Amino acid sequence: SQKIEQNSEALNIQEGKTATLTCNYTNYSPAYLQWYRQDPGRGPVFLLLIRENEKEKRKERLKVTFDTTLKQSLFHITASQPADSATYLCALGPGGGNKLTFGTGTQLKVEL
Amino acid sequence: DVKVTQSSRYLVKRTGEKVFLECVQDMDHENMFWYRQDPGLGLRLIYFSYDVKMKEKGDIPEGYSVSREKKERFSLILESASTNQTSMYLCASSPPSGITDTQYFGPGTRLTVL
Repeated sequence: SQKIEQNSEALNIQEGKTATLTCNYTNYSPAYLQWYRQDPGRGPVFLLLIRENEKEKRKERLKVTFDTTLKQSLFHITASQPADSATYLCALGPGGGNKLTFGTGTQLKVEL
Repeated sequence: DVKVTQSSRYLVKRTGEKVFLECVQDMDHENMFWYRQDPGLGLRLIYFSYDVKMKEKGDIPEGYSVSREKKERFSLILESASTNQTSMYLCASSPPSGITDTQYFGPGTRLTVL
């Protein structure tokens, strides 16, 4: 069955450093992969989408890579700030009807 | 900006009650989704709909039903609430496949079943 793995342990980093989050998947050949941010008690918010034929995507301080051979995506936040503290979810698609399959998320804490 | 609203942020119900969770989106999206989110299990798809009066089962439809009478509104129904349905419920919408694949989420409803 399809499986998406994100590190369940929280990632703690210092302000100004680069945070790197990992999303691994098995038994899946996604056409694209998305990353979402979720703050406590709120719904996820879309950040970035990367397609299977793209190696890397950037948006401001965010960078996503997608390696379909390794079946892995890396999500980087450069010059991290305390405001970046949140849970980050990866999602693979599409399933039928534009469905997404979500990972369980990794909590990021950026400390002063 | 896309806006997805859910009828309640917090809801407390008793076992056996019928529960309605409402979701409304204002972007004329064809696709709408209901998820539940539990610690350690992530987002799990309950039902989705790609058109008015159309519905498809997701990964965990048991104990739930849905209704989509109008394009902008997607309702989740717990026919007889049970304690194991205590969870955060999230609604999302998205445009048709091939246009953009982003899902837009509502703020969530935290349901407690006593």
